[in-house]
Amino acid sequence: DIQMTQSPSSVSASVGDRVTITCRASQGISSWLAWYQQKPGKAPKLLIYAASSLQSGVPSRFSSSGSGTDFTLTISSLQPEDFATYYCQQANSFPPVTFGQGTKLEIK
Amino acid sequence: QVQLVESGGGVVQPGGSLRLSCAASGFTFSSYGMHWVRQAPGKGLEWVAFIRYDGSNKYYADSVKGRFTISRDNSKNTLYLQMNSLRAEDTAVYYCAKDVGLEWLLLDFDYWGQGTLVTVSS
Repeated sequence: DIQMTQSPSSVSASVGDRVTITCRASQGISSWLAWYQQKPGKAPKLLIYAASSLQSGVPSRFSSSGSGTDFTLTISSLQPEDFATYYCQQANSFPPVTFGQGTKLEIK
Repeated sequence: QVQLVESGGGVVQPGGSLRLSCAASGFTFSSYGMHWVRQAPGKGLEWVAFIRYDGSNKYYADSVKGRFTISRDNSKNTLYLQMNSLRAEDTAVYYCAKDVGLEWLLLDFDYWGQGTLVTVSS
């Protein structure tokens, strides 16, 4: 199985900050990577698929890049509603689908 | 609009069984593969199972293989997860999720239900 490792596990930031979250795959996954946002008590929400394609309705302050084993999610200017937990997920090798352990973005 | 509504969760003793349902609306259910994903309390996301749009292929995580069965009834727009031989480690919120691929498997989940909590405890 492909292991997905996110860093950091948690990060504190302020409204307006630029934040970057990293996701590393244990083997190459080309561009088959998605990012999800999850708020407490809610279902995950798809933000980005195919490593860099923004899901419909997702604000343009979210962006992602990478291919192979290393990927980043960037939020260019944090808004209050962005404080949540973010998960990466590989879509290259199946079964199984695998997720990163999550990065909790907290208010500083 | 797309809606996925899970039901059937609850408290069950170890070794017991439970069947979850996921009622779908707002899209052509019979054209999309569907997944179950779970999340243990305070933990991350774990993929559980997938069923092809026509029910012809099913895949499972090793942790549930042989104990859980995914199925669907396209005439009722409903997805199911039959869970047998339940263990404490199966305690989680179970989400159904729609695959983005139209009659194809793309492994991105564009819509999720609200989740249903399964607690395995004596």
